[in-house]
Amino acid sequence: KAGVTQTPRYLIKTRGQQVTLSCSPISGHRSVSWYQQTPGQGLQFLFEYFSETQRNKGNFPGRFSGRQFSNSRSEMNVSTLELGDSALYLCASSLVGVTEKLFFGSGTQLSVL
Amino acid sequence: EDQVTQSPEALRLQEGESSSLNCSYTVSGLRGLFWYRQDPGKGPEFLFTLYSAGEEKEKERLKATLTKKESFLHITAPKPEDSATYLCAALRGETIKAAGNKLTFGGGTRVLVKP
Repeated sequence: KAGVTQTPRYLIKTRGQQVTLSCSPISGHRSVSWYQQTPGQGLQFLFEYFSETQRNKGNFPGRFSGRQFSNSRSEMNVSTLELGDSALYLCASSLVGVTEKLFFGSGTQLSVL
Repeated sequence: EDQVTQSPEALRLQEGESSSLNCSYTVSGLRGLFWYRQDPGKGPEFLFTLYSAGEEKEKERLKATLTKKESFLHITAPKPEDSATYLCAALRGETIKAAGNKLTFGGGTRVLVKP
């Protein structure tokens, strides 16, 4: 069974640009969560999508947004990039209503210059 | 506000030297306490879920325990391949519909096992 796939693996952007990251969950998983990981703040929850609806949201500014498609694939977008947005962005999928066990992808390493 | 604190931040062990990692949590109505392992350049990998105080779970050289305020991850006779960052995370007691899968993570403990 294929795991969670995130693309691209690495990304370099400049301040003010926008970026879109992609996540393909494990087949059959309907929940997709996004986390930001930095050395200083650790892992922080961004948002969760289930059946194309945002079900939960963390404490991040509105520049961070996401969406989920009917096939459960998800994208997150960051607009007007800031230097502090440099981080590893992790996507996780899970079966909802059965277990809260999350399966993480390897992440997208975003560097903002 | 939910809070999860892990200690120590880093741990250097000799192969075979057993030790414990601590995870203290302040979460409104804990629904589950999770342990993950993260290797460099990879996403976290699920290890255990603990649901109630007194619960214990084991996997190879790892054993996780839970009390009402903290969780411990015991590493027995570690090997170099146990070197990784170990993360604990708490899920609060709201329904899945309300809280979804919003985990609050601790800062992690970096474990290095030297041969």
